Amino acid sequence: KAGVTQTPRYLIKTRGQQVTLSCSPISGHRSVSWYQQTPGQGLQFLFEYFSETQRNKGNFPGRFSGRQFSNSRSEMNVSTLELGDSALYLCASSWTSGRAGEQYFGPGTRLTVT
Amino acid sequence: DQQVKQNSPSLSVQEGRISILNCDYTNSMFDYFLWYKKYPAEGPTFLISISSIKDKNEDGRFTVFLNKSAKHLSLHIVPSQPGDSAVYFCAASGTGNQFYFGTGTSLTVIP
Repeated sequence: KAGVTQTPRYLIKTRGQQVTLSCSPISGHRSVSWYQQTPGQGLQFLFEYFSETQRNKGNFPGRFSGRQFSNSRSEMNVSTLELGDSALYLCASSWTSGRAGEQYFGPGTRLTVT
Repeated sequence: DQQVKQNSPSLSVQEGRISILNCDYTNSMFDYFLWYKKYPAEGPTFLISISSIKDKNEDGRFTVFLNKSAKHLSLHIVPSQPGDSAVYFCAASGTGNQFYFGTGTSLTVIP
């Protein structure tokens, strides 16, 4: 079974631009969660989508948004990029929402904002 | 505000010895805890979990201990192997289904 895939793996953007990251979950998984990983902060929860609906949202500004498609693939968008948005963005999929389903992580997208 | 804390950024252990990784949490509503392992350039991989109704869970060389009164959990790896060298994250969840992660501990097992 193929794992969670994230594209692109690396991205360099400049301040003020916007970016869209993509996540393809494991086949059959309906939940996708997004995390931001920065040095010293660990993994910070962004949001979770289940069956195309946002189930949970972390404490991030409205510049961070996401969506999920009917095939469970998910995208995350960050608008008006700031230097502090430089991070590794991880998505994780599970067969159901919340902790009932074990999360499988993708390799992440490394975003650098200059 | 970091609700899950891993106060040791790094740990070095000799091969064959025990590795003990620690994690503290502040939210008394957390009742489900997990450990993940992360190699460079890969996403975290689930290792072991424990529910608050238990105080210990074992899976092969990995054992997680939970001390609810101290709001503390630990991961024991016995015996440690060089392939265990990785960053270990603990995570916690309450009724909100959201997972809160610690900042990670980098374990180096010295052959």
